Amino acid sequence: DAGITQSPRYKITETGRQVTLMCHQTWSHSYMFWYRQDLGHGLRLIYYSAAADITDKGEVPDGYVVSRSKTENFPLTLESATRSQTSVYFCASSEWSSASTDTQYFGPGTRLTVL
Amino acid sequence: AQTVTQSQPEMSVQEAETVTLSCTYDTSENNYYLFWYKQPPSRQMILVIRQEAYKQQNATENRFSVNFQKAAKSFSLKISDSQLGDTAMYFCAFMNHMDSNYQLIWGAGTKLIIKP
Repeated sequence: DAGITQSPRYKITETGRQVTLMCHQTWSHSYMFWYRQDLGHGLRLIYYSAAADITDKGEVPDGYVVSRSKTENFPLTLESATRSQTSVYFCASSEWSSASTDTQYFGPGTRLTVL
Repeated sequence: AQTVTQSQPEMSVQEAETVTLSCTYDTSENNYYLFWYKQPPSRQMILVIRQEAYKQQNATENRFSVNFQKAAKSFSLKISDSQLGDTAMYFCAFMNHMDSNYQLIWGAGTKLIIKP
């Protein structure tokens, strides 16, 4: 299906384990983003990517790693999960053009619980 | 640094009524974008409406319209003829046009409940 998908939708893991959240978009958008959403907060940017092989830190990058070997995929890895990383994670994508570069489109989210 | 403030944590109205959600922001930039996103219980983040700061005309999308007051740095969302399906969290977001990385700055959200 066209659009932006995330997997898994729900994940329970234990402290110290490595976890990878997947994000895939079919629009060939240049930009992709990872956010986390915690109760009482808006979304906070973890990492973003302007193109394949180009990534940069957002507001809350500590404890996370990203890669982008292909334009359509942007996986987020928690190298050693901590309870404070229990959250809902959203992936988003956006296209750049000289006319309009602003709207981000979001995936359905992944609810991650770290025990 | 830019900030976005939504001062109403929760609102509720009767079905078919009109409701206005508030959003203020702080920036020293002159050219930027503003957005309202809706997040229903399904958690999907859905774009409701967007406004470009250089446009004086307020954006409208069907029952949704904004009151953009640039000097006051205010960007409120009006929902007319509210429907049960409008029940959701609503987030206001800001993007600096000169930000080459297109990062969104988000408010904390307003929970809107439409009562039958």
